[in-house]
Amino acid sequence: NAGVMQNPRHLVRRRGQEARLRCSPMKGHSHVYWYRQLPEEGLKFMVYLQKENIIDESGMPKERFSAEFPKEGPSILRIQQVVRGDSAAYFCASSPVGTKAFFGQGTRLTVV
Amino acid sequence: AQSVAQPEDQVNVAEGNPLTVKCTYSVSGNPYLFWYVQYPNRGLQFLLKYITGDNLVKGSYGFEAEFNKSQTSFHLKKPSALVSDSALYFCAVRDGGSSNTGKLIFGQGTTLQVKP
Repeated sequence: NAGVMQNPRHLVRRRGQEARLRCSPMKGHSHVYWYRQLPEEGLKFMVYLQKENIIDESGMPKERFSAEFPKEGPSILRIQQVVRGDSAAYFCASSPVGTKAFFGQGTRLTVV
Repeated sequence: AQSVAQPEDQVNVAEGNPLTVKCTYSVSGNPYLFWYVQYPNRGLQFLLKYITGDNLVKGSYGFEAEFNKSQTSFHLKKPSALVSDSALYFCAVRDGGSSNTGKLIFGQGTTLQVKP
């Protein structure tokens, strides 16, 4: 059973471009969470999704950021018109119905 | 509001000595508590969790943590540190109430440095 898969591992974008981060949860997991880790900081919750539904997006910036978890395929975190302040590590976690979340290796976004 | 505090940015300990990484929390309902470890340029690895039951929880790699309700603490401990334990450690809390969505609130992290 493969773990949580995130790709790409590293992503470089110029200011104003779009960034798409993908997360494939563990097999059998229907809950996906996205977290952001800014340099020298802890992880901050962004959004919680179940298949085809956004359950809690209280940690998402109001503009430029969106997330989806379609019926088929990976969850996508999309950042439009990236700015330097978006540079961070973005982690996806998945869990079954329960308490323990499994984290992916993360995507490190660098905006130049 | 839920919050987690890790009061020490860094903990230094000699190999073979016991280690403690501190964590205190604030949550409105019953807490679900977790410790994760992060190695450089890697994701988070689960170490252990407290949901209910025995206050002393044993986890991976010889780590354990003690839940103390009166002090709202969940300190991570290991009797004998290894150099390979050097990493960034995160404490996290989740509100166990039925309305909770399962999101984790993380502390700022504590860097553990174990010297030979």
